[in-house]
Amino acid sequence: GIQVEQSPPDLILQEGANSTLRCNFSDSVNNLQWFHQNPWGQLINLFYIPSGTKQNGRLSATTVATERYSLLYISSSQTTDSGVYFCAVWRFQKLVFGTGTRLLVSP
Amino acid sequence: DGGITQSPKYLFRKEGQNVTLSCEQNLNHDAMYWYRQDPGQGLRLIYYSQIVNDFQKGDIAEGYSVSREKKESFPLTVTSAQKNPTAFYLCASTVQVDQPQHFGDGTRLSIL
Repeated sequence: GIQVEQSPPDLILQEGANSTLRCNFSDSVNNLQWFHQNPWGQLINLFYIPSGTKQNGRLSATTVATERYSLLYISSSQTTDSGVYFCAVWRFQKLVFGTGTRLLVSP
Repeated sequence: DGGITQSPKYLFRKEGQNVTLSCEQNLNHDAMYWYRQDPGQGLRLIYYSQIVNDFQKGDIAEGYSVSREKKESFPLTVTSAQKNPTAFYLCASTVQVDQPQHFGDGTRLSIL
């Protein structure tokens, strides 16, 4: 099956810093989503981005489907950004999740 | 407000018991999904349903069962055949395949 790998696996930032999270996938996909799982376990939609670039406040995402990767940018990080970030790809009618990046933003 | 409601938030099961987790959505979505998440891990697909009265096994269906009698509801039963049921269970829905998936707040199941 398709492999979805995220890097880095863990990231520690000082509040106010910027970061880039990467998602690589091993085969062509129909669509891609980015999620944030907060410390209470809630999974929040960030982006639905099959290709191109989207921005939402301090967050933006870019997917280059032909090269099989997507990037999530977090600028001016805040402590509330802490949690786990997942990318997930749609393939054969199912959403396949990546391994996740665990982010800790310290004050 | 439109959304996905999972209940209960916490559930305890004795050995040998079946338990049923509820998932209800009022988003008028056709497709619904059940995932399992173990500590420090990603999400794995248990079952999914693209239309009422139809469902398919996901990657880890053994020891689980589902039904889809109504569009709004997709309950998951964890049977006694599931040897390691302690996990966080998440339900999701989408208007159709390949469209954004939205999640409920999850149910944490533990074995007594």
